Amino acid sequence: DVKVTQSSRYLVKRTGEKVFLECVQDMDHENMFWYRQDPGLGLRLIYFSYDVKMKEKGDIPEGYSVSREKKERFSLILESASTNQTSMYLCASSLVPNYGYTFGSGTRLTVV
Amino acid sequence: GESVGLHLPTLSVQEGDNSIINCAYSNSASDYFIWYKQESGKGPQFIIDIRSNMDKRQGQRVTVLLNKTVKHLSLQIAATQPGDSAVYFCAENARGTSYGKLTFGQGTILTVHP
Repeated sequence: DVKVTQSSRYLVKRTGEKVFLECVQDMDHENMFWYRQDPGLGLRLIYFSYDVKMKEKGDIPEGYSVSREKKERFSLILESASTNQTSMYLCASSLVPNYGYTFGSGTRLTVV
Repeated sequence: GESVGLHLPTLSVQEGDNSIINCAYSNSASDYFIWYKQESGKGPQFIIDIRSNMDKRQGQRVTVLLNKTVKHLSLQIAATQPGDSAVYFCAENARGTSYGKLTFGQGTILTVHP
């Protein structure tokens, strides 16, 4: 089975800090995605990547950046964390278009 | 601060009952559909998928029905168990969508009472 691993389950960071969320998948998937999930708002796409060093903005990219230096790793960066970025962050990967995603377990980030 | 948004639909059933969770979609070009289960504090987990050339697909204790005429998708869970308690949401992908991005529904909270 494909495994998508997010490096932290829980994180607490201070306002203004630079935050790195790491995601690694082990099945050579081309596409990787970062979502945030908030009560009542569902899953919102932040960024996705379809190849190494390639990235596309999702629906809510403001305040975030991403890095994909290797196929298996997709990092989400909060340049200067703010309290409105407190959320559950979910990483996902998929093999090809028109296939389902495999999700990681999520990182619950609290910015204080 | 706390987010204000839609309250999720809820479904409450007794253990052993069958559960039906519904999802409507609007894009007539959607041709691939998935159901996910998300337990509290965990990432979504794939349950079952269906492509638009089918109207029914069965898995272990789960069945997905697709009605393209009315753009409706349902998930049926047979003999529901307490471990089935979770948020269930559908996702869809339309032909030609860039890089296979999925569009997710808001979700339904299923609570199973012993």
